[in-house]
Amino acid sequence: AQSVAQPEDQVNVAEGNPLTVKCTYSVSGNPYLFWYVQYPNRGLQFLLKYITGDNLVKGSYGFEAEFNKSQTSFHLKKPSALVSDSALYFCAVRDSGRGYSTLTFGKGTMLLVSP
Amino acid sequence: DAGVIQSPRHEVTEMGQEVTLRCKPISGHDYLFWYRQTMMRGLELLIYFNNNVPIDDSGMPEDRFSAKMPNASFSTLKIQPSEPRDSAVYFCASSLTGKGNTEAFFGQGTRLTVV
Repeated sequence: AQSVAQPEDQVNVAEGNPLTVKCTYSVSGNPYLFWYVQYPNRGLQFLLKYITGDNLVKGSYGFEAEFNKSQTSFHLKKPSALVSDSALYFCAVRDSGRGYSTLTFGKGTMLLVSP
Repeated sequence: DAGVIQSPRHEVTEMGQEVTLRCKPISGHDYLFWYRQTMMRGLELLIYFNNNVPIDDSGMPEDRFSAKMPNASFSTLKIQPSEPRDSAVYFCASSLTGKGNTEAFFGQGTRLTVV
């Protein structure tokens, strides 16, 4: 079975500081990994994905994520946080070795960026 | 494309009433997903379709829940009879087949309140 863990319910960071939102995963095959963001009263918006290749993936709004196979992690990062980045962030995984499988989401991490 | 369109955005109904949620996926997408989001349980996959055919409905909580996809551009999620514990935000999402490496696109959600 595939699973995702987001160990932090909430991450607090000051505007202008770097941010990291953590994600670890478990799959039987190779993973496809995704990050989504949810703003209040909105649906989930796709940020970025790792499929294969370069371990550092760049996405929307200046976000990036680093795939680490040995640590089974896919942490979301941004060099300089903005107040407008405050939102709920979801990591998701899909097992590439099972034909088509559905996305499994983590429980989400609330990011709060203070002015 | 306008993205995934869900209606209504908000629904308030009395316990025992029938509720129907609607979804129009992105044109050309062959997978459609229904999710439920609550504070307690996070994001749960209820059911998904491929080419209008239900593939996995193991996430549907009870027989009170049913979903249909009569054609490639329309799906419904029905709750009959509704109960207060069904109160949640219901999301529809769609994606393209691509060996699983394609992201899902979410609608804005329907906030259901059963009183």
